[in-house]
Amino acid sequence: NAGVTQTPKFRVLKTGQSMTLLCAQDMNHEYMYWYRQDPGMGLRLIHYSVGEGTTAKGEVPDGYNVSRLKKQNFLLGLESAAPSQTSVYFCASRPRDQPQHFGDGTRLSIL
Amino acid sequence: GQQLNQSPQSMFIQEGEDVSMNCTSSSIFNTWLWYKQDPGEGPVLLIALYKAGELTSNGRLTAQFGITRKDSFLNISASIPSDVGIYFCAGHNAGGTSYGKLTFGQGTILTVHP
Repeated sequence: NAGVTQTPKFRVLKTGQSMTLLCAQDMNHEYMYWYRQDPGMGLRLIHYSVGEGTTAKGEVPDGYNVSRLKKQNFLLGLESAAPSQTSVYFCASRPRDQPQHFGDGTRLSIL
Repeated sequence: GQQLNQSPQSMFIQEGEDVSMNCTSSSIFNTWLWYKQDPGEGPVLLIALYKAGELTSNGRLTAQFGITRKDSFLNISASIPSDVGIYFCAGHNAGGTSYGKLTFGQGTILTVHP
């Protein structure tokens, strides 16, 4: 999945802690997306961005915030982590009229 | 909201067998995508379908966009051990305010025995 880089790859948090997941793409893509993947549920869209400085809510946005200050970066924040947010988080990006390219994911556990 | 039902949920097959999986939607899509996810990695695009009735191949993989625009299937012929992984269908409606948002199926876990 060259081109979409997610950091960190793994993280363990305690309930109530905050953290930020970083997604970076070097393909000059307009659109970026954050998903979470849970067993048996496929990928569900958290938030997305259609360009620098713009963000919008997806299917499951509660408990998350995002920012797109630079075109190449899309940040996903958890202000007060909850055990229900234990998941694998994927970032994706795409140019206009082309399918999405995914990163390799961030595995997040909240105790 | 839109829902995609993907089946089967899992498959256990012998190397060399053919595989078929499908997705059905409660509403119409104008793009269907099939992704494969290997353990510890993100989904990788296999095939993209843009027209109702379209049949597209990529090596041993063949996918079709259903005429009703509410379904799609993926076939894998002569399976090999490296086909192991999770296969996802995804639907998309282009234009308007969709902004390329995808709706994913639940995934089909494929296991291939040598």
